[in-house]
Amino acid sequence: GAGVSQTPSNKVTEKGKYVELRCDPISGHTALYWYRQSLGQGPEFLIYFQGTGAADDSGLPNDRFFAVRPEGSVSTLKIQRTERGDSAVYLCASSSPPGSRTSTDTQYFGPGTRLTVL
Amino acid sequence: AQSVTQLDSHVSVSEGTPVLLRCNYSSSYSPSLFWYVQHPNKGLQLLLKYTSAATLVKGINGFEAEFKKSETSFHLTKPSAHMSDAAEYFCVVSDRDGGYNKLIFGAGTRLAVHP
Repeated sequence: GAGVSQTPSNKVTEKGKYVELRCDPISGHTALYWYRQSLGQGPEFLIYFQGTGAADDSGLPNDRFFAVRPEGSVSTLKIQRTERGDSAVYLCASSSPPGSRTSTDTQYFGPGTRLTVL
Repeated sequence: AQSVTQLDSHVSVSEGTPVLLRCNYSSSYSPSLFWYVQHPNKGLQLLLKYTSAATLVKGINGFEAEFKKSETSFHLTKPSAHMSDAAEYFCVVSDRDGGYNKLIFGAGTRLAVHP
């Protein structure tokens, strides 16, 4: 079956511009996570969705970052007034809902979107 | 708070020799621990996970890890390295304080395999 997909795979933008990064989770996965991986580091948690709602957005670095998941499937991470420090690989992962009978604790990751802010 | 420390940023081995990637964790309760692998320009792939069942966990591609509570360690091993094992490896602990699995990654260990 299809895994997690992310588009675009690469995004180059100029400082101050607005960008949107898209994530398509595995069908039936209600839990969706965004992580950010800066160069030479491990991924860091940004936000968690259970269904349509953001259950935990404590990892978003500031109010320039926002994410939505209006229909409980596809999610979009939005970054306003991009800065050079936002350059990173943005990863999306999905899993079965925690505590469900089908839950395996396993998060399946997409290939990521490499964002470069010039 | 949960955290993991990967003790080596780079490990280099010869093909056919054993692999040891070291990880120590900190957790206020019985943790869920994972190892993920990341090949260049590819997504993170789960190698194995520990969730309080057997302390010796077997994963894909011949990798295994042993949970040692007394040492707070979860080292990854493989008896014989292949060239295809060259990649970045992440030790990960799951923070379940919110009732869901927020993954906390180590900084990663880059494994190089030489012929």
